[in-house]
Amino acid sequence: GENVEQHPSTLSVQEGDSAVIKCTYSDSASNYFPWYKQELGKRPQLIIDIRSNVGEKKDQRIAVTLNKTAKHFSLHITETQPEDSAVYFCAASQGAQKLVFGQGTRLTINP
Amino acid sequence: DGGITQSPKYLFRKEGQNVTLSCEQNLNHDAMYWYRQDPGQGLRLIYYSQIVNDFQKGDIAEGYSVSREKKESFPLTVTSAQKNPTAFYLCASSARAVEKLFFGSGTQLSVL
Repeated sequence: GENVEQHPSTLSVQEGDSAVIKCTYSDSASNYFPWYKQELGKRPQLIIDIRSNVGEKKDQRIAVTLNKTAKHFSLHITETQPEDSAVYFCAASQGAQKLVFGQGTRLTINP
Repeated sequence: DGGITQSPKYLFRKEGQNVTLSCEQNLNHDAMYWYRQDPGQGLRLIYYSQIVNDFQKGDIAEGYSVSREKKESFPLTVTSAQKNPTAFYLCASSARAVEKLFFGSGTQLSVL
């Protein structure tokens, strides 16, 4: 089955700097890669997703890149703000009906 | 919690007791999922259902059971066979299989 590894587990950056979170996956058949943001005490919310036929996708300050050959994908947040502080989860599809999540990254934005 | 509602928010289980977590959605989504969240371990799939009256085991189904009698509802029962039930349980739904999951606000289950 699919295995997703996420790094780092914690990340602290200065406000205004960029943050990068990386994930690797094991199943070369995976074709859908979402990222979720979970603020403290709240439910996870989808922030961006990418399909395997696309190498990069951007939405304002957030971007995701995918390297199918190396089987890794990354989340990039630019011009970080205090409200970006949260736990971020990557995931990869396993077949058509399942998502396998990474272990999460706790991002802290320091003012 | 527009769209998908989980209840209760907090639940306590006594030894040997079965408890049921409720999940209701009004998004007209076909697919529904139950995930367990433990600190530092991400989200692990317990059960999922793509259509009414059908469901499949996820990666950690032992000690849990579900039903899908209505499109809107996907309750999860934590049985006494689940020896370590303390966790945060999240229900999710989607219109198209695994894409764009919409999560409920979760239920924190603890053992007395």
